[in-house]
Amino acid sequence: GEDVEQSLFLSVREGDSSVINCTYTDSSSTYLYWYKQEPGAGLQLLTYIFSNMDMKQDQRLTVLLNKKDKHLSLRIADTQTGDSAIYFCAESMGYGNKLVFGAGTILRVKS
Amino acid sequence: GAVVSQHPSWVICKSGTSVKIECRSLDFQATTMFWYRQFPKQSLMLMATSNEGSKATYEQGVEKDKFLINHASLTLSTLTVTSAHPEDSSFYICSARNQIPARVENIQYFGAGTRLSVL
Repeated sequence: GEDVEQSLFLSVREGDSSVINCTYTDSSSTYLYWYKQEPGAGLQLLTYIFSNMDMKQDQRLTVLLNKKDKHLSLRIADTQTGDSAIYFCAESMGYGNKLVFGAGTILRVKS
Repeated sequence: GAVVSQHPSWVICKSGTSVKIECRSLDFQATTMFWYRQFPKQSLMLMATSNEGSKATYEQGVEKDKFLINHASLTLSTLTVTSAHPEDSSFYICSARNQIPARVENIQYFGAGTRLSVL
């Protein structure tokens, strides 16, 4: 079955890099996503990666995918206090299929 | 682009009343919208998939008579919590998928959520 797991909490200092990890079980996943949720708000899509890619970079965000180990990570460079939020990874089997979310990682950035 | 509006953002109601939540895609057409429920400090639980012009598909364990979904147009889906009780208190989030043109990336855009408190 589908299962997505994340570490629950990460604390970093402002200016440092943050790395949020995610593992998934379904090797049929075609797309993997990172969403950000601020308190009391909906989810904001940060980035996504196709399963045949190893890495994707978008400004301060770097996504690494190890398909063999079914491991996905999100690196945030120069982390700012505004990055404090809950980060969800999610997988999809492709168009027409539902998203399966992890439990979310709380990122706390200390100034 | 790809903005999803959800209304209301917060509602308080008495036990036994019904509450309607609206989800609108503002700048794109969405033949498919999704309704999620999120408990405090937990992940999103998919409740149902709403398809324009047809019946919603409910996830296992979700009561279709309790959570009525209507998707009458390409830009609007509604979730009605009927005869709400305190255990229905939760954060409800909708999302919409940009279908035209169809995108294989299967990206869902989320509303800001509705916090329902049933007294």
